[in-house]
Amino acid sequence: DQQVKQNSPSLSVQEGRISILNCDYTNSMFDYFLWYKKYPAEGPTFLISISSIKDKNEDGRFTVFLNKSAKHLSLHIVPSQPGDSAVYFCATLTQGGSEKLVFGKGTKLTVNP
Amino acid sequence: NAGVTQTPKFRILKIGQSMTLQCTQDMNHNYMYWYRQDPGMGLKLIYYSVGAGITDKGEVPNGYNVSRSTTEDFPLRLELAAPSQTSVYFCASREQTSGRRETQYFGPGTRLLVL
Repeated sequence: DQQVKQNSPSLSVQEGRISILNCDYTNSMFDYFLWYKKYPAEGPTFLISISSIKDKNEDGRFTVFLNKSAKHLSLHIVPSQPGDSAVYFCATLTQGGSEKLVFGKGTKLTVNP
Repeated sequence: NAGVTQTPKFRILKIGQSMTLQCTQDMNHNYMYWYRQDPGMGLKLIYYSVGAGITDKGEVPNGYNVSRSTTEDFPLRLELAAPSQTSVYFCASREQTSGRRETQYFGPGTRLLVL
């Protein structure tokens, strides 16, 4: 059973428009969430994170929104650029010192010129 | 600064063969992790280490072994390769801090095919 769910395997948007990637989680004890971006033949790279004490975190074109009551978070990319085409993973950190990442299955974003 | 490096990039193994996936980081990170990513799936944790000489199992440890004799190196050993171990393997590391959630830095991955 997945603890972190990304129900859309793929998303296609036009350059300049908004990309919205969604993620749901099952455990209300999760208190920290991250988005990783992955290009083909490369390892994931950290993009942005949010703590459960916040409902929004913004970094340039990237904004993550957290809705704790719905156990839902989303990543907004505005404006989308062709270089944003990649697989985006939602992840959470387990509790405790080892802080293991639990990943969703990922959403492949394609930004068309 | 190389970050996290992994070798080899790609390997084909026959069923029953063994091999070691190498992982090295030059950031002096105490925490290191091994993940596998199967097609269409997210990354799953195999083993992790919180420092030299200390390792522990993750979500999918069966069929693998690890060791951590130095801060820099965290090799992953497959003893009897099986087709189910066909996957892409990622090593990651992070700093140890108190009270702050540190980012994990990933290597480029090793693609393994077991036939």
